[in-house]
Amino acid sequence: GESVGLHLPTLSVQEGDNSIINCAYSNSASDYFIWYKQESGKGPQFIIDIRSNMDKRQGQRVTVLLNKTVKHLSLQIAATQPGDSAVYFCAENHTGRRALTFGSGTRLQVQP
Amino acid sequence: EPEVTQTPSHQVTQMGQEVILRCVPISNHLYFYWYRQILGQKVEFLVSFYNNEISEKSEIFDDQFSVERPDGSNFTLKIRSTKLEDSAMYFCASTGTPAYEQYFGPGTRLTVT
Repeated sequence: GESVGLHLPTLSVQEGDNSIINCAYSNSASDYFIWYKQESGKGPQFIIDIRSNMDKRQGQRVTVLLNKTVKHLSLQIAATQPGDSAVYFCAENHTGRRALTFGSGTRLQVQP
Repeated sequence: EPEVTQTPSHQVTQMGQEVILRCVPISNHLYFYWYRQILGQKVEFLVSFYNNEISEKSEIFDDQFSVERPDGSNFTLKIRSTKLEDSAMYFCASTGTPAYEQYFGPGTRLTVT
């Protein structure tokens, strides 16, 4: 069956460093990917998305990279700040579906 | 900035009771969703709703669950007879067309005792 999973459950970085959060997916039909940030007690907050016809997309301080060959997705956060501390989820979807399939999450801890 | 809202923020109910969770999606969105997240686990899809009917549902969304859009603004999830394992955070989400990004509400924490 399809699955979306994350390599590391917890990532600890120093404030100001760059963070990289990784995600693997198994469904070859996946053509849309999205990263969410979830702070404690809150709902998932949209960060950035990318479609399968792209391999890179940049936002404000964030970059998503997509490698379809190895079915791998990453989220890069530049100059990580304490406010970036949260759990990050990748999610995927494919044409014809509206349901997002979420990964299990990576907790990002930013040390001051 | 428009946002998805949900009420109540926390609902405690006894096993076997019916609960209704309420959501107000972003006003110009057309697709609505319910997801749940059991404590410490990943977010799981329950159901999607478009044009006043269910467009997709997961295995979790069995006969105990139902959704309704009773008016032009609210979107509800009803659990007819709650079980202990229904305890979770329930998130409503909405999206416009043709965008895919789903915007989530803050969630309702359901505790079944």
